[in-house]
Amino acid sequence: QSALTQPASVSGSPGQSITISCTGTSSDVATYNYVSWYQQHPGKAPKLMIYDVTNRPSGVSNRFSGSKSGNTASLTISGLQAEDEADYYCSSYTSSTTLVFGTGTKVTVL
Amino acid sequence: QVQLVQSGAEVKKSGASVKVSCKASGYTFTTYYMHWVRQAPGQGLEWMGIINPSDGSTGNPQKFQGRVTMTRDTSTSTVYMELSSLRSEDTAVYYCAREGGRWQGDYWGQGTLVTVSS
Repeated sequence: QSALTQPASVSGSPGQSITISCTGTSSDVATYNYVSWYQQHPGKAPKLMIYDVTNRPSGVSNRFSGSKSGNTASLTISGLQAEDEADYYCSSYTSSTTLVFGTGTKVTVL
Repeated sequence: QVQLVQSGAEVKKSGASVKVSCKASGYTFTTYYMHWVRQAPGQGLEWMGIINPSDGSTGNPQKFQGRVTMTRDTSTSTVYMELSSLRSEDTAVYYCAREGGRWQGDYWGQGTLVTVSS
């Protein structure tokens, strides 16, 4: 099972919106709505930001939103803030009853 | 509050085994599956497998079959992940993460650094 494909880096200025893509296949993203997104600051454990493609856990800012079209899921961060600078990973359930993560995206706030 | 507390850092020789623990609290241990995920230095997240604390059943990707053993102790609400035949590329931070019900990790342990030296 190959990792889902994400851009290596995305950047934006404070207040702007950015979108991170996560491309999979018909065996994962395209078929299942079990797509999640995680934020990871340096030296810290990942934090769940989005689950089931579009849902936010309690306590996660509504500046974070998720969507999916075909085999590509996306995470949008609106009103970008300095604290959003981190690595972001997507994940998806697969037809092999496994979990696969994305390659990861480093978000830089300019 | 849900907490997952992992065991401390380990240094192992190539060919040895390591066993990492993850003690859960703040919820009913047997109600939620647990994932194991690792992250090599400067690299991304890699899923290693999942265990059902209720009956001990496990599942993991082909890459780790035969080398990863996941177990649990319901009396102490602890899950364990043992990785055998260690090699240098197994040097990583190992995390446990509670399965939130739809293949997501809703709570994560603090991570355990395993260093494999030759």
